[in-house]
Amino acid sequence: DTGVSQDPRHKITKRGQNVTFRCDPISEHNRLYWYRQTLGQGPEFLTYFQNEAQLEKSRLLSDRFSAERPKGSFSTLEIQRTEQGDSAMYLCASSLGVVNTIYFGEGSWLTVV
Amino acid sequence: AQSVTQPDIHITVSEGASLELRCNYSYGATPYLFWYVQSPGQGLQLLLKYFSGDTLVQGIKGFEAEFKRSQSSFNLRKPSVHWSDAAEYFCAVTNRDDKIIFGKGTRLHILP
Repeated sequence: DTGVSQDPRHKITKRGQNVTFRCDPISEHNRLYWYRQTLGQGPEFLTYFQNEAQLEKSRLLSDRFSAERPKGSFSTLEIQRTEQGDSAMYLCASSLGVVNTIYFGEGSWLTVV
Repeated sequence: AQSVTQPDIHITVSEGASLELRCNYSYGATPYLFWYVQSPGQGLQLLLKYFSGDTLVQGIKGFEAEFKRSQSSFNLRKPSVHWSDAAEYFCAVTNRDDKIIFGKGTRLHILP
């Protein structure tokens, strides 16, 4: 069990470009979560999946953001037409079932210049 | 709406002193509560959790927390802090079938 892994760990992109982050949850964890965290703030919920089904999407997630979890394994978070306000750390987490310990990855830092 | 409040943005304590970090929650259903710790540039590590049963829960690294339903609180404590405890601490709440909501965090500074 290697924990939740995220890739890339750091990404610098120009405004207007698209970026994609990948998350590999702990194997057999059926729930997968995406959070965003800016400096000095707590993680803000973006979306979560149970297996391949996206159960909820935060109002924070504009139409430029899309997340997928094909086959209920890894997940991708894509941001289209990035803006400077998208600069943040994007955290992925997974858990086995509901009301269970949620394990976080190390995060993917995005800087939009 | 559900929310978590951590009233102290920064706390400074001397090494060896006791620590209490405050957390208040607002949740319509039976809450499940967590404390996580985050070192700079890192992900979040679970310190402890409360789901049910004994309202005083023990966690890793010598931390404990007490759930007080009447006060809607879940304060984190440690009897004697170490310099390595300097980090950011997040309280979080969820219930069945819901996502976790985090507080804004408390940054802990340790004086030598």
